[in-house]
Parts: sequence; C-alpha cells; structure tokens
Amino acid sequence: AIQMTQSPSSLSASVGDRVTITCRASQDIRNDLGWYQQKPGKAPKLLIFAASHLQSGVPSRFSGTGSGTDFTLTISDLQPDDFATYYCLQDYDAPYTFGQGTRLDIK
Amino acid sequence: EGQLVESGGGLVQPGGSLRLSCTASGFNVDSTFMSWVRQAPGKGLEWVSLIYTGGITDYAESVKGRFSVSRDNSKNILFLHMNSLRLEDTAVYYCARDLKWQGGGMDVWGLGTTVIVSS
Repeated sequence: AIQMTQSPSSLSASVGDRVTITCRASQDIRNDLGWYQQKPGKAPKLLIFAASHLQSGVPSRFSGTGSGTDFTLTISDLQPDDFATYYCLQDYDAPYTFGQGTRLDIK
Repeated sequence: EGQLVESGGGLVQPGGSLRLSCTASGFNVDSTFMSWVRQAPGKGLEWVSLIYTGGITDYAESVKGRFSVSRDNSKNILFLHMNSLRLEDTAVYYCARDLKWQGGGMDVWGLGTTVIVSS
C-alpha cells in the first residue's frame, strides 16, 4: 500500500498567518491527492482535489500544489474558522491512504 | 448537491456482526464511487472500502475478508457488512461520495455512525 507521510503533526499559528502542511507519498501518485479539513465531532470536509483544484465553496485562501510524491497545502491569512485538523488522502490506487493528520491550533 | 445519512451503529461483542447503512438523497449511489472511512477514538482517518460504479469493491488490508460493501440501487442505500468484529474496529464510520471517477474527491459525507466493539 502507498504510505503517506504528513508533516508537521501539529502546528500553532495566529490569525492572519500563512501556514504550510506537507504530504509525501511513498511512490509516484501523479496528482491524485486531496486535502480534507476536520473539526472535532464533525465529518471531514473536502478542500482541495487533484492536488491543486479548489473545491466549490472553499475560500481561496486555501491552495494546494504538487505532483508525483510531494504535495503542500497552504492556508493564507488564517481565519478563526481554519483552526482544525487537516488530512491528505491519496486516491491514486486502492487501498487509499490518509496522512496522519496535522492539528492546527491557535498560538 | 446530495446528502448522506448513516445508521446501524451500536454496541457489539468481539466476533459479532453488524450492518451499517448509508442512505443517499440527491444523487444515485450506483452512479458514482462510494467510500467508507472510519475514525477510532482520538485517532486519525482511516479509509475502509470503496465500491466502484460497476460494483467492484476494494478494501483496506485491516478489514479485508471481514467487511464487505453492497448497494441497494432501488432504495439508494449503501451497506457495510462487518463480520468477525474486533476491538480495534471501534470507530465512527462515515460514508462518502467519491468523485474520483471524474477527477474529484470525496465531496459529500454523512454525519457518521458509531460502532463500539466491547465485551
């Protein structure tokens, strides 16, 4: 199975900051990667699909880049609503695999 | 846009069985891929299974041979049949519409249903 290594596992930041989360795949997954946001007690929410495509309704301060094995999620101008846990997911090949998650909290 | 509602979770003893349901509205479950994802208490997300539009299925190694996915197209319901349950299957189980077939991601999720495996 493809392994997804996500970093950092946790991150503290302030409103207005810019943060970056990375995921590395154990093999080439082209651009078959999504980013999801999850808040406590809630279902995950799709932010980015196909590595860099913003899901409808998601604010433009979220952006994704990368292809092959290295991917990044950038959140510009952090807002209070952005403090949550973020996961990458490779859907290049089944079994799909999630990264370990990045908990983003307020500094 | 679409909506998903899971049901069927509960308390079950190790070795027992349970069937989860995922009722869809606003789209047809047989017209798209559908995935199940779970989250153990305090842990991250774990992908569990996938059913393709043609009915072929895929599973995580941790559930292969114990879990199976099926659909009732007439009722627009997705099922997850769980057998030989283990303590480590305790989790919130989510179903999700998976638009991988058209280059998208899992864009619609249910609220989840909780499975507790305990003696």
